[in-house]
Amino acid sequence: AQRVTQPEKLLSVFKGAPVELKCNYSYSGSPELFWYVQYSRQRLQLLLRHISRESIKGFTADLNKGETSFHLKKPFAQEEDSAMYYCALSGYNNAGNMLTFGGGTRLMVKP
Amino acid sequence: KAGVTQTPRYLIKTRGQQVTLSCSPISGHRSVSWYQQTPGQGLQFLFEYFSETQRNKGNFPGRFSGRQFSNSRSEMNVSTLELGDSALYLCASSSRTSGNNEQFFGPGTRLTVL
Repeated sequence: AQRVTQPEKLLSVFKGAPVELKCNYSYSGSPELFWYVQYSRQRLQLLLRHISRESIKGFTADLNKGETSFHLKKPFAQEEDSAMYYCALSGYNNAGNMLTFGGGTRLMVKP
Repeated sequence: KAGVTQTPRYLIKTRGQQVTLSCSPISGHRSVSWYQQTPGQGLQFLFEYFSETQRNKGNFPGRFSGRQFSNSRSEMNVSTLELGDSALYLCASSSRTSGNNEQFFGPGTRLTVL
């Protein structure tokens, strides 16, 4: 079975402070990990994926297979980063394309 | 490219009724997945269709079913509605080409069961 855990439901930081949204997963094979973001009144959208190893809007995430983690980090939070963040795993179960989501973390960046 | 569209956006039904939700994927995308989002359970995978075939199914009762048409549009059906079926139903499409399974989400259909 595959599982994604986001231990914090709410993370509140001040503008300019570093941010780390935690994500841990369990999966027996080689997973593909994603971070999705949902801004207020907008649809869920992909923020970044571990395969591409890119930085989007200043966010980065490194897959740590030893710790089975995929934490999302940003050195200096901005108010516009306030949103709901979901970590997700794709395991290609049965050649399908199923995403297993964590419970989400609401990030609030205060001025 | 136009994004994923879902109709209707809002729906109110009563217990015991059935409902059909529709999803139009991004042009060229052949994979459509459905998810249920509730405050208590979060985002849960329902099923995925690719080239009119169900490729994967989540842990939902048989009252939840779906299908995909030759133009890749997809519908999901919920029969004998229960109060607990009230949720936001999200559709996502993907090209599923080699090395790229990024899923693009629609705005969702909010179903309220009274």
